[in-house]
Amino acid sequence: QVQLNQWGAGPVKPSETLSLTCGFYGGSFSGHYLTWIRQPPGKGLEWIGIFSQGGITSSNPSLEGRVTMSLDTSKRQFSLKLTSVTAADTAVYYCATVVLNSYSMDVWGKGTTVTVSS
Amino acid sequence: QSVLTQPASVSASPGQSITISCAGTNNDLATYNFVSWYQHHPGEVPKLIIYEATERPSGVSDRFSGSKSGNTASLTISGLQAEDEADYYCFSYASGNSFAVFGGGTKVTVL
Repeated sequence: QVQLNQWGAGPVKPSETLSLTCGFYGGSFSGHYLTWIRQPPGKGLEWIGIFSQGGITSSNPSLEGRVTMSLDTSKRQFSLKLTSVTAADTAVYYCATVVLNSYSMDVWGKGTTVTVSS
Repeated sequence: QSVLTQPASVSASPGQSITISCAGTNNDLATYNFVSWYQHHPGEVPKLIIYEATERPSGVSDRFSGSKSGNTASLTISGLQAEDEADYYCFSYASGNSFAVFGGGTKVTVL
């Protein structure tokens, strides 16, 4: 049974880089894509990006190339970096696994609140 | 970026049925059956309730059902209960300039 545990740095200043990590426990990477999703205060869910061990990677065009995702298989961790943040990037960030062949998110991390503030 | 279109809110009394629509485009719902639905109680983690348009994960109540026709997917909740009060989101694999896209979300209120 896959479980995800996520963590990241505290408040981030405008123009800096937001960094989050998600630990993957149980199961195999090969059965899943990995994805990041966020929810700004008072708004809906927003898809950030997706990647796989096999090299598939894609991010939301609205984030204009500010997204970098990586996977450390030895540590069973995958990470998100979002550069040049602004207040609009303040949100609860979730990591999740995406089931191959259905593109549905079956396991979610508990969410990390990230505040961008000077 | 395309956004799947959902009604902002739906309300009904306990025991009634509701249907939430999710309208897409040729880049997503009209072409693929990779649409899923999520229930999100504020402060909690979103929960997968429907995948591949009509399939229900193990453990999800059979009061939840999904369908799709053309470029529109739908989620039906039958026998509405107080615990169903939550936000519901559709999500789809997409081609074009974005790999995937969420709907704007629908707030379900049980009167």
